[in-house]
Amino acid sequence: AQSVTQLGSHVSVSEGALVLLRCNYSSSVPPYLFWYVQYPNQGLQLLLKYTSAATLVKGINGFEAEFKKSETSFHLTKPSAHMSDAAEYFCAVSVLTGTASKLTFGTGTRLQVTL
Amino acid sequence: ETGVTQSPTHLIKTRGQQVTLRCSSQSGHNTVSWYQQALGQGPQFIFQYYREEENGRGNFPPRFSGLQFPNYSSELNVNALELDDSALYLCASSLGDWERNEQFFGPGTRLTVL
Repeated sequence: AQSVTQLGSHVSVSEGALVLLRCNYSSSVPPYLFWYVQYPNQGLQLLLKYTSAATLVKGINGFEAEFKKSETSFHLTKPSAHMSDAAEYFCAVSVLTGTASKLTFGTGTRLQVTL
Repeated sequence: ETGVTQSPTHLIKTRGQQVTLRCSSQSGHNTVSWYQQALGQGPQFIFQYYREEENGRGNFPPRFSGLQFPNYSSELNVNALELDDSALYLCASSLGDWERNEQFFGPGTRLTVL
């Protein structure tokens, strides 16, 4: 079964520092992978997606992720953290269930940005 | 372009009651998925509707049911509410049911069961 694992439930960085949020996937077929962000008391917003085109995917708000098949990873990075990046981040893989395409999410990583 | 909207934003019910949550999909989208997000966890897939038919379901009991209407809006119904049903319920819409299509989420409905 396809799944994702997010390493680190909490990550704290200083403003201006590199952000690295880890996601590893398990899939026997080429996966479709997504990163979503969730601000407090809100729904999920798509940051970026990998659909087997370029392995380096650029998203919104300066985030990017690199698909590495050899490491089964899809880590999310941002060169310089901003206070507004503080939120919960979810990695997800799209899986076919019957004829439905469902998203299977990781457990999430809460990003804290300090001054 | 109107995004995904959900109503109500908050709801409080008691055990055994029934609840209906509503979702309007993003303009042009014909597929709606529902997810349950318990506190501190990632969303869990409940089911998906494509062109008014349920085309996939997660590990949820039959007391979770849904509908999709001709305008592609959707309802989630939960009967015989249990305390563990307390969660944020998220609706997501997409164009088609292919895995590579991104799903756009609404703000959610916070359900509290007492």
